[in-house]
Amino acid sequence: GAVVSQHPSWVICKSGTSVKIECRSLDFQATTMFWYRQFPKQSLMLMATSNEGSKATYEQGVEKDKFLINHASLTLSTLTVTSAHPEDSSFYICSARDLKSEVDEQFFGPGTRLTVL
Amino acid sequence: AQSVAQPEDQVNVAEGNPLTVKCTYSVSGNPYLFWYVQYPNRGLQFLLKYITGDNLVKGSYGFEAEFNKSQTSFHLKKPSALVSDSALYFCAVRDYSGAGSYQLTFGKGTKLSVIP
Repeated sequence: GAVVSQHPSWVICKSGTSVKIECRSLDFQATTMFWYRQFPKQSLMLMATSNEGSKATYEQGVEKDKFLINHASLTLSTLTVTSAHPEDSSFYICSARDLKSEVDEQFFGPGTRLTVL
Repeated sequence: AQSVAQPEDQVNVAEGNPLTVKCTYSVSGNPYLFWYVQYPNRGLQFLLKYITGDNLVKGSYGFEAEFNKSQTSFHLKKPSALVSDSALYFCAVRDYSGAGSYQLTFGKGTKLSVIP
């Protein structure tokens, strides 16, 4: 089946530093990937849609200069949290859209736990 | 606009008893419906989906869900709950209204606790 990986699985950083999270589709090509944020005991909130070879589309209220998204290939999208602050601490989950699935299914990565000190 | 409601924050059920996790949806067009399960500090795992056809959908780990168009519901069910089923369950909908309409909208999640 379609597998999506995320790296790192967890990261702890100091306030003011930048953190890069990778999302890879391992056995399929994904022209579109999605980045979600999940706070404790809450649902997934879509942050942005990442399109290969073009600019990401951000949801309302998400700062594009703070959450930089790059989708340079059909199997890799990266989310960089710039100048991270404690309020950015969260669980970040990516998903990849499999064009060959019957309903353009999204397959989810295992998530990345970010803790900003 | 599309939306999903999971009316229960938590569902408790005794091991061996049947379980139901409720989900209702709202879309302007035809819905694609999904159930996912999340274990602590893990990503989402796909359980099952409804696209078209038979209203009763069978999925992973013995789970099933019934699509009810008139009630706009897609409740998740399992005949006999296991302690290992304890997790957070998310219902999601996608409104298939043509090209580009592939965003999923998630419910807030329901925590299932299966009591030994």
